[in-house]
Amino acid sequence: DAEITQSPRHKITETGRQVTLACHQTWNHNNMFWYRQDLGHGLRLIHYSYGVQDTNKGEVSDGYSVSRSNTEDLPLTLESAASSQTSVYFCASSESGVWTQYFGPGTRLLVL
Amino acid sequence: GESVGLHLPTLSVQEGDNSIINCAYSNSASDYFIWYKQESGKGPQFIIDIRSNMDKRQGQRVTVLLNKTVKHLSLQIAATQPGDSAVYFCAGLGGSARQLTFGSGTQLTVLP
Repeated sequence: DAEITQSPRHKITETGRQVTLACHQTWNHNNMFWYRQDLGHGLRLIHYSYGVQDTNKGEVSDGYSVSRSNTEDLPLTLESAASSQTSVYFCASSESGVWTQYFGPGTRLLVL
Repeated sequence: GESVGLHLPTLSVQEGDNSIINCAYSNSASDYFIWYKQESGKGPQFIIDIRSNMDKRQGQRVTVLLNKTVKHLSLQIAATQPGDSAVYFCAGLGGSARQLTFGSGTQLTVLP
């Protein structure tokens, strides 16, 4: 069955370190998204991509970057982790022209 | 921009009763809405969606109602079951960026 996976599921890192969170989908969806989820804020969009080599900034993109070298993967990099980036991160994907997004299981990140 | 919120952060219902979860939005140009269910430790799961040219849409045990006049939508769950206990989010599509904006969620607890 097609699915979307994230790794690691849990990560503890230190302030200033570079961290990369992986997202892999086998739906063959062109659209992929990264969100963060914090108490009281709902899901907030970090970056998104509509296809290979396409990346766009979302609402809360500062301190994050993404790259899209193939259809299946959209890794999220925290260039220099900050305590304010402690959060749960969700990756999602959708078909081109379809707004229904399918979410991965999430990565819980703690920055000390 | 779009603002999407939920009326109540928590809702408790007796098993077997119907549940109604409410959501308000600010952008009258929003033309598509989705409801997601998120169980503890998991990613959001698609429940049902509705376009702005509809007032009502039904799924299996769920109904979404859209009132564009007051910019309000609701999710009704019939015969609520213990497995329905989760956080429910609404998301709306609007704004120039054409991205989903998520509400902060309602925690539904089903009492035995």
